[in-house]
Amino acid sequence: EVQLVESGGGLVQPGRSLKLSCAASGFTFSNEYMAWVRQAPEKGLEWVATISTRGTTTYYPDSVRGRFTISRDNTKSSLYLQLNSLKSEDTATYYCARHGSRIFFDYWGQGVMVTVSS
Amino acid sequence: DIQMTQSPASLSASLGETVSIECLASEGISNDLAWYQQKSGKSPQLLIYTTSRLQVGVPSRFSGSGSGTRYSLEISGIQPEDAADYFCQQSYKYPLTFGSGTKLEIK
Repeated sequence: EVQLVESGGGLVQPGRSLKLSCAASGFTFSNEYMAWVRQAPEKGLEWVATISTRGTTTYYPDSVRGRFTISRDNTKSSLYLQLNSLKSEDTATYYCARHGSRIFFDYWGQGVMVTVSS
Repeated sequence: DIQMTQSPASLSASLGETVSIECLASEGISNDLAWYQQKSGKSPQLLIYTTSRLQVGVPSRFSGSGSGTRYSLEISGIQPEDAADYFCQQSYKYPLTFGSGTKLEIK
């Protein structure tokens, strides 16, 4: 059974940093592209980052490029998202997700909440 | 960026009814369109990918169709457990983008 378990969320002040983690199990992690998707309270879904199987290629939307960094450790079956220079508009539930054979998301974690507030 | 315009924003349906949700892409996406269901307080779940392919375990009352820039999700024979938000997503190119969502209420 595919499982994705996020951790590392919390309350953080604007301008500060936070690192999210996602522990994966139930599949061969090193064979799959992985991603982060976020959802602001009572809002829609926003893709945040994608990383290739070996971590050599990453993709970001303009809204987070230069502030967020996605990474992975295939030896630990773990995915990470470093969030820097946080803004109030980054407040959201962050989901770890596995990419399907095309760039959709076939499995999602339960999500972790990040609140950016002074 | 490809904009995904989803409609309607909300709809109400009776048990057994058939409903349709549409997504319009700002440019052609070659059938690279996925649909997700998100129940209240839960994470999204993949329903359909590549326009019409049902994810494993998804009931056959869900179906997808479309081409070019216009795509739709149909739910036939609405069940109580179908009450949820539904989102489309283009998987054609980066940046990946979602529709704004449709809230389905069961009468």
